[in-house]
Amino acid sequence: QSVLTQPPSVSGAPGQRVTISCTGSNSNIGAGYDVHWYQQLPGTGPKLLIFGNFNRPSGVPDRFSGSKSGTSASLAITGLQAEDEAFYYCQSYDSSLPGSKVFGGGTKLTVL
Amino acid sequence: EVQLLDSGGGLVHPGGSLRLSCAASGFTFSSYDMNWVRQAPGKGLEWVSGISMRGESAYYADSVKGRFTISRDNSKNMMYLQMDSLRAEDTAIYYCAKDLEGSWGIDYWGQGALVTVSA
Repeated sequence: QSVLTQPPSVSGAPGQRVTISCTGSNSNIGAGYDVHWYQQLPGTGPKLLIFGNFNRPSGVPDRFSGSKSGTSASLAITGLQAEDEAFYYCQSYDSSLPGSKVFGGGTKLTVL
Repeated sequence: EVQLLDSGGGLVHPGGSLRLSCAASGFTFSSYDMNWVRQAPGKGLEWVSGISMRGESAYYADSVKGRFTISRDNSKNMMYLQMDSLRAEDTAIYYCAKDLEGSWGIDYWGQGALVTVSA
């Protein structure tokens, strides 16, 4: 069972907007630690998608955006494209597990 | 360009040992904390271990504490994961991962090394 909770799956048609939630607690997201998001395309390793709650690395389209409030965070994807079909993971730090990084269980995005 | 090259994976019997290596290039290796993250077949990501930039501090997930040892050699730009007393549930792809400075995230990942623990 993951420390951070994500929905197992979301779906949307091309061009639509979808959001993926990430729910934590007062020892991780709620304690003010940053949330990061990773995209994992089929058969590949993870790639940093959003860092520091809402920042995009160079090369990531502005269709991807992140937000955080209280003990939760969200990833929004607008203008869905077929190439966005992938697994998405949120990640943060948890003060009850010194030195460790905690991940969400992952969300499979299906583009219909 | 940042590159992380994982190696050392393979098939090992339960109770056996294996050592993974990560060769880093394209950045000042000694200035960053590093990590190992694994992914069991069909499962999500699990942080396994982390090491501080000079190697003086090491951290482990409860699932591997006492069995795995992380280390680094900054003179060679290398990181290692010594895995002992391996179990079937340790079967996974193991990724070397570079810390994102200042925020407990990861900005670069290796290609992964497959470890299979089976009789």
